[in-house]
Amino acid sequence: DGGITQSPKYLFRKEGQNVTLSCEQNLNHDAMYWYRQDPGQGLRLIYYSQIVNDFQKGDIAEGYSVSREKKESFPLTVTSAQKNPTAFYLCASRQRTDSNQPQHFGDGTRLSIL
Amino acid sequence: RKEVEQDPGPFNVPEGATVAFNCTYSNSASQSFFWYRQDCRKEPKLLMSVYSSGNEDGRFTAQLNRASQYISLLIRDSKLSDSATYLCVVNSVKYGQNFVFGPGTRLSVLP
Repeated sequence: DGGITQSPKYLFRKEGQNVTLSCEQNLNHDAMYWYRQDPGQGLRLIYYSQIVNDFQKGDIAEGYSVSREKKESFPLTVTSAQKNPTAFYLCASRQRTDSNQPQHFGDGTRLSIL
Repeated sequence: RKEVEQDPGPFNVPEGATVAFNCTYSNSASQSFFWYRQDCRKEPKLLMSVYSSGNEDGRFTAQLNRASQYISLLIRDSKLSDSATYLCVVNSVKYGQNFVFGPGTRLSVLP
């Protein structure tokens, strides 16, 4: 069954701790994305990757880091520099950045501060 | 001005009603347009693409007006299960043709 898998579903972060959110896709998509959604708000782009070993900052990259070592995987690390990490984090993928194909989303990770 | 703006909502309508949402976008070079639906505490899911000539999928009709740079979504015969937030999505030249999501319009269909 093709799709995007995010884990864990819920995550708690202690003060000063880095945490990593996993995103894996088996759709053979080139482009992958991370968004943050705060309650009652729209989606904001954190980072995106158009191809393996390459990624670009979105609107709110500060306090976050990513890697794209494999086509199917795009993990997001929320560092201790991100002072307000509590949010719903969504990973998405798309066939290619320049295509007219829509994005597909994983079912998200909810991150809270302990 | 934001790249994508939507009716602020919320829209509260009775079952069976027809409801329309509007969305405006600022970049005249945008080429790809979609409507997504997001249920409470869930991920957005693609509802439909929006084509230049307009398109229909069952009770849902999407229209694109390039001259005025707006997109609309019409829902006929509303069902309770249509209650959700509807997101307008447009491709953006700012991030290499990546998508920009509107803030969403919340719909509640009441019995």
